[in-house]
Amino acid sequence: AQSVTQPDIHITVSEGASLELRCNYSYGATPYLFWYVQSPGQGLQLLLKYFSGDTLVQGIKGFEAEFKRSQSSFNLRKPSVHWSDAAEYFCAVGAAAAGNKLTFGGGTRVLVKP
Amino acid sequence: EAGVTQFPSHSVIEKGQTVTLRCDPISGHDNLYWYRRVMGKEIKFLLHFVKESKQDESGMPNNRFLAERTGGTYSTLKVQPAELEDSGVYFCASSQGRIGEKLFFGSGTQLSVL
Repeated sequence: AQSVTQPDIHITVSEGASLELRCNYSYGATPYLFWYVQSPGQGLQLLLKYFSGDTLVQGIKGFEAEFKRSQSSFNLRKPSVHWSDAAEYFCAVGAAAAGNKLTFGGGTRVLVKP
Repeated sequence: EAGVTQFPSHSVIEKGQTVTLRCDPISGHDNLYWYRRVMGKEIKFLLHFVKESKQDESGMPNNRFLAERTGGTYSTLKVQPAELEDSGVYFCASSQGRIGEKLFFGSGTQLSVL
């Protein structure tokens, strides 16, 4: 069975500092990997996705993620955080045969200090 | 374009009562998904409709949950009778295609069973 682990429940970062959110997955084949963000009162919004090809994926809002098969990781990064990045971030894994039936991690809540 | 709409945004009911959640997907999206997040845990898949047909309902917790999508447009998720452990946030999402197509989420229904 596939699973996703986000080791950090909360992260506090200063505005302008860099951010890295960790995601580790367990899946038998090549996974489809996603990062979603949920801002207060909003639905989940897709930041980026990895299906194949270049292992460094660029997303919206200045985010990027790197797929590392050897480490079963798909960490999310942003070089300089803005106050509006305060939100909860979810890593998810899917399979081609399962459509958009995704397995999510527990989420990481990001707080941004001025 | 209008996004995925869920109603109500919040619902507070007593144990044993019935609650019906509604989801209006983006027009033209054949695929509709229900997910649930219980008590800050992982977001978990409940079921998947393709048009009016249930494609995958493997995530439905038990027979107290009934999902319908008559006419392949909006969907309802009824919980009858509700139990304390049903409390959580119920998300609906839709997509035009399957894997690879962007999944659009609603802002969720916060269900509290007292």
